[in-house]
Parts: sequence; structure tokens; C-alpha cells
Amino acid sequence: DTGVSQDPRHKITKRGQNVTFRCDPISEHNRLYWYRQTLGQGPEFLTYFQNEAQLEKSRLLSDRFSAERPKGSFSTLEIQRTEQGDSAMYLCASRVSGNTEAFFGQGTRLTVV
Amino acid sequence: TQLLEQSPQFLSIQEGENLTVYCNSSSVFSSLQWYRQEPGEGPVLLVTVVTGGEVKKLKRLTFQFGDARKDSSLHITAAQPGDTGLYLCSNNDMRFGAGTRLTVKP
Repeated sequence: DTGVSQDPRHKITKRGQNVTFRCDPISEHNRLYWYRQTLGQGPEFLTYFQNEAQLEKSRLLSDRFSAERPKGSFSTLEIQRTEQGDSAMYLCASRVSGNTEAFFGQGTRLTVV
Repeated sequence: TQLLEQSPQFLSIQEGENLTVYCNSSSVFSSLQWYRQEPGEGPVLLVTVVTGGEVKKLKRLTFQFGDARKDSSLHITAAQPGDTGLYLCSNNDMRFGAGTRLTVKP
């Protein structure tokens, strides 16, 4: 296991298009987190899963954002009708519940033009 | 929701200098994590502190957890250009502060 992987690393899309990102966590990690990070800021929490259950979703997250983790392994984050303000780095992290050590992927950098 | 405040926001120093950055909250941390993030990469965990008054050392980095578990500091001795990055603190709920962006000039 080489850690948390995210795909793609970079995505350029036109405003109004839908995009989907994938995160593969460390295999034995039951918790998976999604974040958005803009330049100069810390990671902003979006949502997290424990196994396949989505346990929390930020109230800042618009209805255009949806995430799934259907089998409790990999997760996808979809953004519908992208806007320029969605341009950011999207980070995924995983950990074992009860353990404070979390591991991050390298992120997907989204640019909306 | 616990708010984490980090200071300073930016810090630019010369190689060899010492520095301290801070993470504060109005509420008690059950545990606190420090991460470092380099440009274009995800954050990497440096340390977890759990017990009030705890001090942990990682080479030239010293982490201190406040007695009341509401604040923490990270002290770097003799900073090197390789220490450049965004230093983040987080709580046990995986919420992060805005970070301190450190630049160490050779």
C-alpha cells in the first residue's frame, strides 16, 4: 500500500461542466475525509465517511457538491455546474477511527476557466 | 465547532534563526496535531499531543501543549531552508487552522 492516492492530479474544466475526483484511501482506514484548500489557507472541511456512511457534511457545502463511498473503500467527489470560485486544491485524507494519525493524498488541483 | 487560530499568518526568516508559531482555541482540545505542507502536496503529520503540559521533540522541532489544552506552540531551532512550508494545526475532529506560512531564506 503506497498511501492515499487521488486522481486526477490536475483538472482544468470550463465553467458549467461537471467534474468528478477519486480518492483511494489506505486500505485498512475506515474514515475518509474531503477538504478544499485555496491558496494561503488551511484545508477547509467538506465531508467525511466512516466506512460507506457519510457522517458529516459541511453546511458551507453547496448542493452542487456530492460525495460517495459506495463500498467503504474508494470515494468520489463530484462538483456539478462548476463555477470559477470552485477553483482550488481538493484534498483527501484517511485514518482509522480512534487513531489521530491521518494521511493525506497529494490532492487534485481544479481550475475552472 | 471548535475554531483554531494560528499565528503568525506569515513568517520569513534567515537560515539559522529560531522561531515559534502558535495554535490557539477557545475550547479544550482532546488532542492536537501539527502538520507541515509543502507546495503542491498534501499535509504530512509531524506530531500529536494529548496531555496538558506535554513537550515533544522531533530533531530541531519542539512541540508544547498548554496545561489547559487550549493552545500549543511549535518552536524550530536553527531553521533551515528545508523547513519552508505551511504549518497547520488540527483537532481530533480533523478541523484545521489557517496555518502559518514559513519561509526560510538561505
